[in-house]
Amino acid sequence: QQQVKQSPQSLIVQKGGISIINCAYENTAFDYFPWYQQFPGKGPALLIAIRPDVSEKKEGRFTISFNKSAKQFSLHIMDSQPGDSATYFCAASSRGGANNLFFGTGTRLTVIP
Amino acid sequence: SQTIHQWPATLVQPVGSPLSLECTVEGTSNPNLYWYRQAAGRGLQLLFYSVGIGQISSEVPQNLSASRPQDRQFILSSKKLLLSDSGFYLCAWSFLSNTGELFFGEGSRLTVL
Repeated sequence: QQQVKQSPQSLIVQKGGISIINCAYENTAFDYFPWYQQFPGKGPALLIAIRPDVSEKKEGRFTISFNKSAKQFSLHIMDSQPGDSATYFCAASSRGGANNLFFGTGTRLTVIP
Repeated sequence: SQTIHQWPATLVQPVGSPLSLECTVEGTSNPNLYWYRQAAGRGLQLLFYSVGIGQISSEVPQNLSASRPQDRQFILSSKKLLLSDSGFYLCAWSFLSNTGELFFGEGSRLTVL
């Protein structure tokens, strides 16, 4: 059973466009929602994270939008660049614990020059 | 600063052979340690995690085992590999305080033939 559902599986965006990746969850006990970025052949790295007390968090061109009532959260990449081409994973955990962090299935983003 | 080392980076093994993947963390004490497996379209699957020397929790039944002989060393093993063990294995660590952030290694690509 997938605790966090992520879509789309793959995404192709033109340079300068907006990339949007969506995730949904069911467990209302989740209180930490990170996004990880993974380049080919490398391990994932934390990109940005949000807690449910805010509806949006922005870091540079990356924004997390969080809808607690809908149990959904999304990653927006503004002004997408070829260097953003990577696989993105959303995740969720309760009590902020890394040992119970549930990952989505990943989205492979390709930004075309 | 903290670093994580994982090796070997790639490994090709015949069915039935043993396996040993190693991971060490530097620059921190008493980290929580994790082994994940990444399969295409299935995201990141937590295999094992450890909160201390000799303390291993297994998340899924499988042909693999883990050990933590030293505070900052985590080993993934198998006595007899199966074809289904092929995949990309990632070691990760988090702070003992378990803030929820995972720091991943570079990964080990295992191909079982």
